[in-house]
Amino acid sequence: AQSVTQPDIHITVSEGASLELRCNYSYGATPYLFWYVQSPGQGLQLLLKYFSGDTLVQGIKGFEAEFKRSQSSFNLRKPSVHWSDAAEYFCAVGANQAGTALIFGKGTTLSVSS
Amino acid sequence: DTAVSQTPKYLVTQMGNDKSIKCEQNLGHDTMYWYKQDSKKFLKIMFSYNNKELIINETVPNRFSPKSPDKAHLNLHINSLELGDSAVYFCASSQRMATEAFFGQGTRLTVV
Repeated sequence: AQSVTQPDIHITVSEGASLELRCNYSYGATPYLFWYVQSPGQGLQLLLKYFSGDTLVQGIKGFEAEFKRSQSSFNLRKPSVHWSDAAEYFCAVGANQAGTALIFGKGTTLSVSS
Repeated sequence: DTAVSQTPKYLVTQMGNDKSIKCEQNLGHDTMYWYKQDSKKFLKIMFSYNNKELIINETVPNRFSPKSPDKAHLNLHINSLELGDSAVYFCASSQRMATEAFFGQGTRLTVV
C-alpha cells in the first residue's frame, strides 16, 4: 500500500532563509508525487508534480522538489522564503492504477519569522 | 470561473440532522473525489467516482452517501449527523485516477 511520511510537523524559518521540507513515500513502483500548499481557510493548491523524467522539478512561487528514488524521497525546497509562504504543506503520492486516489502525508506547518 | 466549486462553504447544524454538500467541476475531468480533513489537518480519501461510477469507498460510515448525477457533479449526503462528523470536507477532481487533483475551497461542517 502507498504511504507518505512528512517527518516535520512544524518548521519555523526566518524570512529570506532557505527552506527544505521533507517527504518520504512508500510505493512499489514509480509513483506520481505532488506537493500542495494550503493557506488558512483555503483549499489545496498544487505547487509541483513529478511523473517521470527529470528528477528536479520546478513549481510555482519559486518552489522546486527533487525526486530521489534511492531514498524514496521528494523534498521540497525554496532558496529564499517570503512571509507569504507561511502555510500548511502537504506531500502526496499517486499511482497509475485503477481504483487509487492521492494519499497525503500529515502535513508540515511552515511559520516564517521576521 | 471556479474550476471546482462546492457549496456551502460553512455548514452549522444540530446532531441528528441530515445535510448535503454539493460539488461541481468545469474542468471536463472524469474523476471526482471527496476528502475529509480532520482537526489535525489530516486529509483522508472518502470516495472516488470515475465517469459516475463509484470506484473508491473507504471505511466511511454508511450515513455518508455520495451521489454523482453526471460527470461534472459529485454530491455528499450525510444522514443522522454526529459530533465526530465535524470537519472540513473537500471535493476534488482529476483527469484520471490518482493524478493531479484540483481541489474546491472546502466545506467546514460543524455539528453542535
